[in-house]
Amino acid sequence: QQQVKQSPQSLIVQKGGISIINCAYENTAFDYFPWYQQFPGKGPALLIAIRPDVSEKKEGRFTISFNKSAKQFSLHIMDSQPGDSATYFCAASWGGNTPLVFGKGTRLSVIA
Amino acid sequence: DAGVIQSPRHEVTEMGQEVTLRCKPISGHDYLFWYRQTMMRGLELLIYFNNNVPIDDSGMPEDRFSAKMPNASFSTLKIQPSEPRDSAVYFCASRRTSGGNEQFFGPGTRLTVL
Repeated sequence: QQQVKQSPQSLIVQKGGISIINCAYENTAFDYFPWYQQFPGKGPALLIAIRPDVSEKKEGRFTISFNKSAKQFSLHIMDSQPGDSATYFCAASWGGNTPLVFGKGTRLSVIA
Repeated sequence: DAGVIQSPRHEVTEMGQEVTLRCKPISGHDYLFWYRQTMMRGLELLIYFNNNVPIDDSGMPEDRFSAKMPNASFSTLKIQPSEPRDSAVYFCASRRTSGGNEQFFGPGTRLTVL
């Protein structure tokens, strides 16, 4: 099954808090797991991505945690800021020549 | 460096009319994807091309939808006849084989069918 299940659908976090979004997949052939960020009126843009040979990748305040045995990965946003308010999509693909399969998205609101 | 270009940005039409959405991928990219985004279904892949050839159109909802890529710098998504349930934001994305899996999205076309 080529699904990626994302939760929660929406998330409200206080400024300075940690935002956590989770994704689960079924296809063990997936070998690329990106997170995309979408602001209103814009197209999604790559935020951070990980491959299954590592369990964690950090870029600034954004961290992907990857659990291969559980077939889950998550996005952590540390010190969340109002400017992080956006919709976040997890995705997965395999083999380098297949399209991304997207989760349904999480709408994050960071309130002051 | 220009990103993916889509036109029009907004389209309002009446049920039964033909709608054509346009996309110019990033130069040098050999994959082009068409997605539809709605609140209920999220981002759905409709069709994708590699080197101008359609690879998988299984996401195209009905025969009313068709897509073409006559050359490496242009693609169209056509809906004929349009229906209110086609109202959504349609995104075009592109990537190149040697660039990993990163897909670059255009700004989208917001389609409203009355």
